[in-house]
Amino acid sequence: GQNIDQPTEMTATEGAIVQINCTYQTSGFNGLFWYQQHAGEAPTFLSYNVLDGLEEKGRFSSFLSRSKGYSYLLLKELQMKDSASYLCAVKDSNYQLIWGAGTKLIIKP
Amino acid sequence: ETGVTQTPRHLVMGMTNKKSLKCEQHLGHNAMYWYKQSAKKPLELMFVYNFKEQTENNSVPSRFSPECPNSSHLFLHLHTLQPEDSALYLCASSQDYEAGGDIQYFGAGTRLSVL
Repeated sequence: GQNIDQPTEMTATEGAIVQINCTYQTSGFNGLFWYQQHAGEAPTFLSYNVLDGLEEKGRFSSFLSRSKGYSYLLLKELQMKDSASYLCAVKDSNYQLIWGAGTKLIIKP
Repeated sequence: ETGVTQTPRHLVMGMTNKKSLKCEQHLGHNAMYWYKQSAKKPLELMFVYNFKEQTENNSVPSRFSPECPNSSHLFLHLHTLQPEDSALYLCASSQDYEAGGDIQYFGAGTRLSVL
């Protein structure tokens, strides 16, 4: 079966760095996405990786290793507004997005 | 504002009621999706429409009935639901369903409670 694993919850301090991991086993691979979802709001797109390596976008970076079935989202200089759930999703060979259950990130002052 | 609007935002219905969820996208996209989001569970894809044609129906019970009259509008008709159908229902749209890097844009969802 297809599976995406990510931690259920993480806590970090304002101004610090946090890394959210995602491992996947899917039927085929057509890219990996990270989305952010604040409570009661729509998920919003953060990043897309299809090749191995690191993609940097401001305070957020996303890394992919296809051989290991592994990705991480790195958030730097954490701000209180970064408190949200972070969803990892992989597009499989049928072009469907397979989603993880999300990681709830709690930022403390 | 994501360009995808869902109504209503909240809905409470009895098991014998019939109701409909509405989604509208203003992004000129060709694909639209219905997802179910339950607490601490992954998003479950329910239906996909690509160029107004249904391409996916992931073993969804017949008490959920989608309708896509045009590429900008998507409905989810609900009838004789069960309490376990209570969840957040999310609509999304994207430009090209079969493109690897195709980004989905989500509405804020309808919080459904079935009593």
